[in-house]
Amino acid sequence: AQSVTQLDSQVPVFEEAPVELRCNYSSSVSVYLFWYVQYPNQGLQLLLKYLSGSTLVKGINGFEAEFNKSQTSFHLRKPSVHISDTAEYFCAVWFSGGYNKLIFGAGTRLAVHP
Amino acid sequence: EAGVAQSPRYKIIEKRQSVAFWCNPISGHATLYWYQQILGQGPKLLIQFQNNGVVDDSQLPKDRFSAERLKGVDSTLKIQPAKLEDSAVYLCASSSGLGNTEAFFGQGTRLTVV
Repeated sequence: AQSVTQLDSQVPVFEEAPVELRCNYSSSVSVYLFWYVQYPNQGLQLLLKYLSGSTLVKGINGFEAEFNKSQTSFHLRKPSVHISDTAEYFCAVWFSGGYNKLIFGAGTRLAVHP
Repeated sequence: EAGVAQSPRYKIIEKRQSVAFWCNPISGHATLYWYQQILGQGPKLLIQFQNNGVVDDSQLPKDRFSAERLKGVDSTLKIQPAKLEDSAVYLCASSSGLGNTEAFFGQGTRLTVV
């Protein structure tokens, strides 16, 4: 079955510290991978995406993610976070090959403290 | 470029009443999605259109939810009758095609059923 798992529901971190938000998926078909961010009372905004090519992708606001096919993971990282990065982060996976669905994980709340 | 438009932004209704949400996707986008996001959870796909045809509605509670995209442009999602557990944010998104393209999200409609 196709599924998306975000391993941490909440991640507290101090400002200027590095952070990693974890995402794993289960799939028997090829996938495309996305990270979205949601600020309070706002819609979802795309941070970055992996479609093909280099497994390390860079996105907006200094975020990057690495696709690991053998571990079926797509973890999001930032070397130094800011207070303004406090938000909900969603990993999303497009399952292709006839399945053709964009499925979201449950989300990780990143709380950056001064 | 105008984004995905949704209305209303907020709606409060009593249980057993009916409600409708409207979505106007980005011009030219063939794929339109409706997601339900319950507080503290990731968005759950309710229905996906490709032009005016339904691609997937496997998670749509068809006894009470309906959606249409008659001319392949804007779309309406209806709930009749509403239940307390329908309280959620309803997100509309659109993309230019299936799969390896970004889905753009509207700001959502926050429904409260009392």
